Parts: sequence; structure tokens; C-alpha cells
Amino acid sequence: SQTIHQWPATLVQPVGSPLSLECTVEGTSNPNLYWYRQAAGRGLQLLFYSVGIGQISSEVPQNLSASRPQDRQFILSSKKLLLSDSGFYLCARSPRGGRDTQYFGPGTRLTVL
Amino acid sequence: GESVGLHLPTLSVQEGDNSIINCAYSNSASDYFIWYKQESGKGPQFIIDIRSNMDKRQGQRVTVLLNKTVKHLSLQIAATQPGDSAVYFCAENSPTGGGNKLTFGTGTQLKVEL
Repeated sequence: SQTIHQWPATLVQPVGSPLSLECTVEGTSNPNLYWYRQAAGRGLQLLFYSVGIGQISSEVPQNLSASRPQDRQFILSSKKLLLSDSGFYLCARSPRGGRDTQYFGPGTRLTVL
Repeated sequence: GESVGLHLPTLSVQEGDNSIINCAYSNSASDYFIWYKQESGKGPQFIIDIRSNMDKRQGQRVTVLLNKTVKHLSLQIAATQPGDSAVYFCAENSPTGGGNKLTFGTGTQLKVEL
């Protein structure tokens, strides 16, 4: 079966601290990978997507960056967190090529204090 | 501009009744639609999808209807159960979106009353 893991599940960080969220995918090769942020009671905002190793597209200008060091690993980072970075971060995957369903991981709840 | 939106932010139904959640989209080029269910503190879960060459698609207790004439999408849940309580999102994918990027609505909260 195809599974998405996200780590950590919850995180509380002070303003100005660095961030690293990890997403790993099992059971599939060459997936498209996505990072979304969801504010409380709101919809999903696409932050980054990747169609392959080292290939990152940014959707919105922000304090965050993404990297894909391996085919099944997608990392979301920041050098200095802002209060506005708080939210629920979701990783998603879809098959490479074409338009298809995206499947989501369990998410990481980030609180910046 | 292009958008995906929901008619009702909150829907309350009695257990056992049928639920209908609606979604309007404005991009006539969209040709693929998905419904997701999100429980509190969890990631969205795929429920059902439909492509624009279809008007209706059925799953287990769920049916999605697509009306391309009025650009309207609905999710019908039969015999609603307490476990159906969640936020439901529609999402659209259009050829102009680039690759496989989805545009999500803001969601509808479904509350099932016992």
C-alpha cells in the first residue's frame, strides 16, 4: 500500500528558530509531492510542489523553503520562523504526470510562539 | 477570477438522514473534481472523484453529481452517520492549473445530530 509519513506530528517553536518538517512516501516511485498549509478553519494553501529530485516549484513568496533530496522524501524548512508560520502543514502525493487525485499525509501541527 | 467555493459553511443533519453538500466552481475549463473529508486534527481523506465526461458517480454511501451547465458539484451522503461528522472540501483541477495542482474550496462543516 502507499503511505505518507510526516514527522513530527506536533511542534512548538519560538519565533526566530529554524524549522525542518519531513515527509516520506512509501509504496510508490516517482511521485509528485506537495506541501500545503492550512490555517485554523480555513482551506488548503499550496506552498510547494515537486515533480522530481531537486525540482521544487514555489507557489507563494514566503519565509519557507522546500527540498527533495530523495525520490520519496520532501522537506519543508525555514531559517527563522515567524508567528504567521503557525498552522497545519500537510504533505501530499500524486502519480507522476497527468491530473489525478492527491493523497494527504497525517499533517504536522506547528505553533510558533 | 477563478474560484472554488461552497454554498454553506455549516450543515447539520439528523443521523440516518441524507446529506447534500454543494460546491460551485467558476473555471469552465476544469475537468476533474475531487471531494475530501477532513476530521479534526487529521489530513484530508479522499472520498470520491469525477471527471467532466461524467454527470454522476457513486461510491459506498456517497454520490457525486456534476452539472457542467451551471458549474455545480455536489456530494450526497446516504444514511448519514455520526462518523461522517467532518469538514468536506471540494477541489478542482483544470488544464490551466499547471501539472497536477488542485484548487480547494474553503470547506463545509457537516454536523450529525443524534
